[in-house]
Amino acid sequence: GENVEQHPSTLSVQEGDSAVIKCTYSDSASNYFPWYKQELGKGPQLIIDIRSNVGEKKDQRIAVTLNKTAKHFSLHITETQPEDSAVYFCAAGGSYIPTFGRGTSLIVHP
Amino acid sequence: EAQVTQNPRYLITVTGKKLTVTCSQNMNHEYMSWYRQDPGLGLRQIYYSMNVEVTDKGDVPEGYKVSRKEKRNFPLILESPSPNQTSLYFCASSLSNRVNEKLFFGSGTQLSVL
Repeated sequence: GENVEQHPSTLSVQEGDSAVIKCTYSDSASNYFPWYKQELGKGPQLIIDIRSNVGEKKDQRIAVTLNKTAKHFSLHITETQPEDSAVYFCAAGGSYIPTFGRGTSLIVHP
Repeated sequence: EAQVTQNPRYLITVTGKKLTVTCSQNMNHEYMSWYRQDPGLGLRQIYYSMNVEVTDKGDVPEGYKVSRKEKRNFPLILESPSPNQTSLYFCASSLSNRVNEKLFFGSGTQLSVL
């Protein structure tokens, strides 16, 4: 089955800095890569996703990039704000519900 | 409002005392699933269901049971809880089990087994 590695496990940045979270996957058949954000006391929520037919996707301050050859994808958050503090999960899948990474705790210091 | 509702939010129990965590969704979703979240281990799938009366094991099913008698409900049953089942549990649902379907998560149930 699919194996998703996510790094770092914890990321601490100053408000206004950029943050990057990286994931690698093992199954070359995977073609869908969602990212979920889990705020304190809540369940994860989908924030952005990317499919294998594109290399990059942006939505305001967040962007995802995908390198299918290297089997890795990343989440980029620019101009971080305190409300970006959360746990972020990457996931990867081919046909069915994707496999999640272990999560990254992002802390944005005011 | 479209949502997945879990109850209770917090639960403290003792080893061996049977408990049920309820999960209900109001979106007419076919697919439902249970995850547990532990520090450093991320989200691990316990059981899932692709429709009424259709359930299957996920990655960590030992010690858990589920049932899907109605489309909207998917309870998680711990018949004899043990301390290693202390965890944060999430129920999730989606329209189908296809990879690109958005998963909707409940707010979580923090379980402590003493």
